[in-house]
Parts: sequence; structure tokens; C-alpha cells
Amino acid sequence: NAGVTQTPKFRILKIGQSMTLQCTQDMNHNYMYWYRQDPGMGLKLIYYSVGAGITDKGEVPNGYNVSRSTTEDFPLRLELAAPSQTSVYFCASSQMTGDETQYFGPGTRLLVL
Amino acid sequence: KNEVEQSPQNLTAQEGEFITINCSYSVGISALHWLQQHPGGGIVSLFMLSSGKKKHGRLIATINIQEKHSSLHITASHPRDSAVYICAGRLEGGSEKLVFGKGTKLTVNP
Repeated sequence: NAGVTQTPKFRILKIGQSMTLQCTQDMNHNYMYWYRQDPGMGLKLIYYSVGAGITDKGEVPNGYNVSRSTTEDFPLRLELAAPSQTSVYFCASSQMTGDETQYFGPGTRLLVL
Repeated sequence: KNEVEQSPQNLTAQEGEFITINCSYSVGISALHWLQQHPGGGIVSLFMLSSGKKKHGRLIATINIQEKHSSLHITASHPRDSAVYICAGRLEGGSEKLVFGKGTKLTVNP
């Protein structure tokens, strides 16, 4: 199993551009999460999904959108990139609830200039 | 004040030393996670516990729900243990939200 994969690994965006961060897991997990990690700060939850077709906002959802059309994929969309979205983004998955072990992807480093 | 506080922020040890990293939280949680973030950035889940103590190899995690405190211990530390250790609590009430500490950076020198 590849676990949780994320693409791209690194991206530079100009202000106002859009992009989609891809996340795929092959463990048949129901729960998937998007986090961002800013330097010197703890991880913060952006969005999460408890199954295909079901998504909900986390702590810092503004400026992002998600969809979950399949169990495997949970893409994160940035519509109008802003410098404040410069961060490292991690996707994670777990079998059931947040009480279960979460498996993290390798992260996507995003720089918005 | 953060809902989850870790101490110390930075820790330097000599190989073989016993390491303790502390995590205190001010909110009600149903479970606490300990994570390890490698120097390359990858994050691995070490433990998830809601009571008592768990052990995996040289790592031991404990939690005291009443005192809202958890500790991660590393016995016979090794340079490969150098990483950032992060604790995160799952909020009570059925929330899927994990609240993260800022992490403790551990450096183990040979």
C-alpha cells in the first residue's frame, strides 16, 4: 500500500491564481482531513470528510474548498491564492473517528508570491 | 493561551539519556495523540490514548485525564530520535477536530 499520497510536493503560486492540491489514500479509510502547518505554529484543521459526499469545515476553512466524490480522493482547492496561504499542507486519513490513528501524507509546500 | 501547551519547546540530550516531553491541555478531550515529525517534514502517528499508559519499543506515553496532562518518554535515546514531537487532543462532544500543540523539537547528540 502506498498509504496517503499528495501532489504536488512543492508549488509557487502568484497572488490570485488557483490550484488544487491532490490527496489520495489506498487504505479504504472513511475519514480524511486537510491541515495546514505554519512555521512555529501547530497544525490547524482546514476541512474534513467522514465519507464520500460528506465534508465539513474545520478551524480555518476560509479561502479553501473541498470535495469528496470517492472514498480514495479528497482534493483541496484554493480559488484566489493569497500570501497568507503560504504554508505546508498535510492530508491525513483514518479508518473511523478522530480517536483512531491518523495516517499523514508527505505534505505539499505552497509559496504564494 | 493555546488550548494545548507543550514543554519544553526545545530539548537537547546526549545519546542514552531518558527523555520526557510534556503536554497539558485546557479543554475537554476524548483522546490524545502523539505524533512525530521527521526533519524532512513527514508526520507519523506514535500513540493514541484516552487513559493510562501505552508502550511501543523505547517510547512510553501516559495520560492523566483528571489533571489534563500527558507525557511522552523516550528511554535510551538515540540520534535517530531527533525530531519534532507533537501532541494533539480530540475535542469532546463528537468533534472531529484535533487541537495541536506547537511541538517539541528534540535533538539527541551522539
